[in-house]
Amino acid sequence: RKEVEQDPGPFNVPEGATVAFNCTYSNSASQSFFWYRQDCRKEPKLLMSVYSSGNEDGRFTAQLNRASQYISLLIRDSKLSDSATYLCVVNGEVDGYNFNKFYFGSGTKLNVKP
Amino acid sequence: DAGVTQSPTHLIKTRGQQVTLRCSPKSGHDTVSWYQQALGQGPQFIFQYYEEEERQRGNFPDRFSGHQFPNYSSELNVNALLLGDSALYLCASSSVIAGDSYNEQFFGPGTRLTVL
Repeated sequence: RKEVEQDPGPFNVPEGATVAFNCTYSNSASQSFFWYRQDCRKEPKLLMSVYSSGNEDGRFTAQLNRASQYISLLIRDSKLSDSATYLCVVNGEVDGYNFNKFYFGSGTKLNVKP
Repeated sequence: DAGVTQSPTHLIKTRGQQVTLRCSPKSGHDTVSWYQQALGQGPQFIFQYYEEEERQRGNFPDRFSGHQFPNYSSELNVNALLLGDSALYLCASSSVIAGDSYNEQFFGPGTRLTVL
């Protein structure tokens, strides 16, 4: 079983739509969770960290469900510029000095159409 | 403030050769991680360096080795290249903060390696 699993999509949505992505992880001991955005042929860029209580940053809302071991990302009022691949990231083993193995999902592709 | 830099940007090698990729972390960061990203896949963790030592390692063979220098920059070496090693190699830097598991990582633009 993969450490992190995502629906690859693509999700094709019109501008202004609300879209949600889910991601499941296998290690119940994981403590750090992130969403990264990756544009075509570019490096991943941090979109937001995911906190236990859930967090919001403008049009983006991230939620964590530890019991079911999944993370979600909600994008409201989609813009053309939101078109990208969204990567779910979970930390694996953490040693006493806080060194992490980070596991990435394969990414979910979002296409926002005019 | 310079972000993470990597060199070279592109590289073409043949099977059996060896390659060295380089990374300079973001200013103020002391930890470097390396990832391999095949086409259509998410980045796969190779290893992580802190204080010039390998601290964590992913599921990669010994052909993949690394080094970190006193100025925190790092190298990734791959020996006996295989066709399957063709990928985008990403370097990410972060800062170890005691007691904080939210080690946000910042990525460099990557080195695109093609093995023929």
